[in-house]
This record gives sequence, C-alpha cells and structure tokens, in this order.
Amino acid sequence: RKEVEQDPGPFNVPEGATVAFNCTYSNSASQSFFWYRQDCRKEPKLLMSVYSSGNEDGRFTAQLNRASQYISLLIRDSKLSDSATYLCVVKGWGGGADGLTFGKGTHLIIQP
Amino acid sequence: TQSPRYKITETGRQVTLMCHQTWSHSYMFWYRQDPGLGLRLIYFSYDVKMKEKGDIPEGYSVSREKKERFSLILESASTNQTSMYLCASSANYGYTFGSGTRLTVV
Repeated sequence: RKEVEQDPGPFNVPEGATVAFNCTYSNSASQSFFWYRQDCRKEPKLLMSVYSSGNEDGRFTAQLNRASQYISLLIRDSKLSDSATYLCVVKGWGGGADGLTFGKGTHLIIQP
Repeated sequence: TQSPRYKITETGRQVTLMCHQTWSHSYMFWYRQDPGLGLRLIYFSYDVKMKEKGDIPEGYSVSREKKERFSLILESASTNQTSMYLCASSANYGYTFGSGTRLTVV
C-alpha cells in the first residue's frame, strides 16, 4: 500500500524563524513530488514541485532524497501568512488511481 | 467550480454534488477530506462516460456526461458521509482543486 507520512504537528514557530518539516514515502517507484498548501476551510493549492536537485522559490526550499525516500520543505523568515497546513504529495506512474497520494498534512502556526 | 458550497440534507435523501472545469482536462477526481484522515479518493474519471473507483467508493456513484462536468452522487445519504468534498482536475501533472462542498447529513 502506498503511504505518505507526515508529522501532523502543530509546529508553533515565532515570526521570522526558519522552520523545516519532512515527509516520507513508501513507494520507491514514485516519480514526482509536490508540496501543497491548504488554508483553514479552503482547498489545497500547489505550493511547489520538488526536483531531485532541490529547488527554491523565494523563502521556500524543497529537497528530495530518493535514497532515504523523503522530501523536505524549508521556510525561511517565516511570516504570519505562512500559517497553514502543508500537504506532501507523491505521484506514481499515470494520472488516475496511480496518480497523487496525499499525506495528511503538517499544521504550521506562525506566532507574532 | 463546485456547487453547492454548502449543503445540509437528511438521511436517506439523494444528493448530487457538481464540479465544472474550464481547462478541458481529461482527468477529474472526487475526494473527501476529514480531520485526521486526510484526502481520500472516491472516484476518478479519465474521459466522458469513463469512471474508475478510488479507495472509498462505497455509497457513492459518479457521472461524467461532458468532459468539463463531473458529478458525485450520494444515492442515499448517511451521517457518516458528512464531510468536505473536493473535486480536482488534471491534464497530467499536478492537480487543481475546486473550493469544495461542505456536506452535512442530519
């Protein structure tokens, strides 16, 4: 059974701090990796894709470790608006039932 | 676009949740999201009149008469189907979600 595991948190972090959280996946054949952000009572939205070489988008850095089967998300200089649930998402082959597997999310709270 | 945004219904009634996308995406999906359980796939569809069961199809059916529309049908609603229902579409890479329908069955 395909699994994507995340620490549910909550992570309580002061504004301006750096926070990182990981996600592990069980299917070694997974092909693509994403971080989605979900605000309270809203739909998930794509935050960023995760590439093998690692990638950065402003204050956000995503890393992939295929050998250990985990991905990570680092947020620098955290803002109050970063408070949300972050979903780790893993994609297998194809686009149907072999498509996306969602983690249950990590809840992040940025405190003033 | 999902409709309605909110729905309250009684046990045993039939309920239809609608999803409409304007990108001509082939894939469309129905998920439900519950606290502590995350997103769970109910059904998905690759094309018109094609449907496949997801992980939790029991108690649900779907209809895709047109490429841009994908409906989720609860034939006889039960209280354990109270949830947030999310529709998504995909061309082949990454999903775009609708705003969700919050369904309460009383």
